[in-house]
Amino acid sequence: NAGVTQTPKFQVLKTGQSMTLQCAQDMNHEYMSWYRQDPGMGLRLIHYSVGAGITDQGEVPNGYNVSRSTTEDFPLRLLSAAPSQTSVYFCASSSLGSNNEQFFGPGTRLTVL
Amino acid sequence: AQKITQTQPGMFVQEKEAVTLDCTYDTSDPSYGLFWYKQPSSGEMIFLIYQGSYDQQNATEGRYSLNFQKARKSANLVISASQLGDSAMYFCAMREGVRYSTLTFGKGTMLLVSP
Repeated sequence: NAGVTQTPKFQVLKTGQSMTLQCAQDMNHEYMSWYRQDPGMGLRLIHYSVGAGITDQGEVPNGYNVSRSTTEDFPLRLLSAAPSQTSVYFCASSSLGSNNEQFFGPGTRLTVL
Repeated sequence: AQKITQTQPGMFVQEKEAVTLDCTYDTSDPSYGLFWYKQPSSGEMIFLIYQGSYDQQNATEGRYSLNFQKARKSANLVISASQLGDSAMYFCAMREGVRYSTLTFGKGTMLLVSP
């Protein structure tokens, strides 16, 4: 199993550009989520999904869109990138349940100029 | 109020010594879970240990143990016999409720292990 994969690993955007960060998992997990990690802030939840067709907002959803058309994929869209979105983005997945660990992807380092 | 508080921005320990990383949490939900993750300089997030709110015993995983004090709302990570490879950022995280897996993370503690 590949686990959780994310592409790209690195990305540089100009302010106002749009892009999609890809996330895929091959563990048949119902739950998938996106976090951003900023220095001194820990990881903050952007959006999450508990199954295909079901998404919800996390702590910092503004400026990001998500959709979940399949169990495997959970892309994160930046519609109009801003310098404040410069961050490291992590995708995670897990089975639904109280004690199931979340498996994290390797992260995408995004810089917005 | 912060849901997860890690008060130690950085910790230093000598190789082979034990170290305790602090984590306090705030929730009114009777059902919750506490997780610790390690993030080495390479950037990946590595799951270490889990403690459920109804678990009677403290969780242990190899050299990692969780000192769970429910009344004090603390879930400290204890690493025994530190190794150089333990140098990393450590995050405490909490899941509230039983239905979903959403985690709230603390800001992390950077641990440096010296020879």
